[in-house]
Amino acid sequence: EAGVTQSPTHLIKTRGQHATLRCSPISGHTSVYWYQQALGLGLQFLLWYDEGEERNRGNFPPRFSGRQFPNYSSELNVNALELEDSALYLCASSLTGQGSSGYTFGSGTRLTVV
Amino acid sequence: AQSVTQLGSHVSVSEGALVLLRCNYSSSVPPYLFWYVQYPNQGLQLLLKYTSAATLVKGINGFEAEFKKSETSFHLTKPSAHMSDAAEYFCAVREGGGFKTIFGAGTRLFVKA
Repeated sequence: EAGVTQSPTHLIKTRGQHATLRCSPISGHTSVYWYQQALGLGLQFLLWYDEGEERNRGNFPPRFSGRQFPNYSSELNVNALELEDSALYLCASSLTGQGSSGYTFGSGTRLTVV
Repeated sequence: AQSVTQLGSHVSVSEGALVLLRCNYSSSVPPYLFWYVQYPNQGLQLLLKYTSAATLVKGINGFEAEFKKSETSFHLTKPSAHMSDAAEYFCAVREGGGFKTIFGAGTRLFVKA
């Protein structure tokens, strides 16, 4: 069974540009979570999608957005990139309403803003 | 509101020694608790979880954790460290019925030969 896959693995962007990160959950998982792991700041919750809808978001500005597609894959969009957006972005998935079973994480996308 | 505190950003042990990684949580309702491990340049992997069944939880790679409600703790242990255990470990809490999992800041485990 394929795990959670994220692409690209690495992404280098210039300040002010736009970035798109992609995530494919485990087959059968309908919930997708996005986390930002910046150096020294641990994992910060970004967004939760379930059944195609945004269910909740963390304390991030509106230039962080995303969506979930009918096949439950998801993308994270970051507009007007700032230097402090440089981080590892992790995607995780779970069955709907089964976050209590724990998440399965992808290997992440390393975003570097220069 | 739920929160997680991991005591010690870095822990160093000798190979074969006991591993003890500390985690304290706060939650207004009975929580679900997790330990994850992250190897360099990888995502997080679930080690074990507490979901209100047995208070002593056994996970993968010989790790276990004990839920102590009176101490609001969920410390991770392994009797004998192996070089391959060197990684970063995250404790996480999710309130029952809640949607969000909160992660601790992580503890990096170093294993000396």
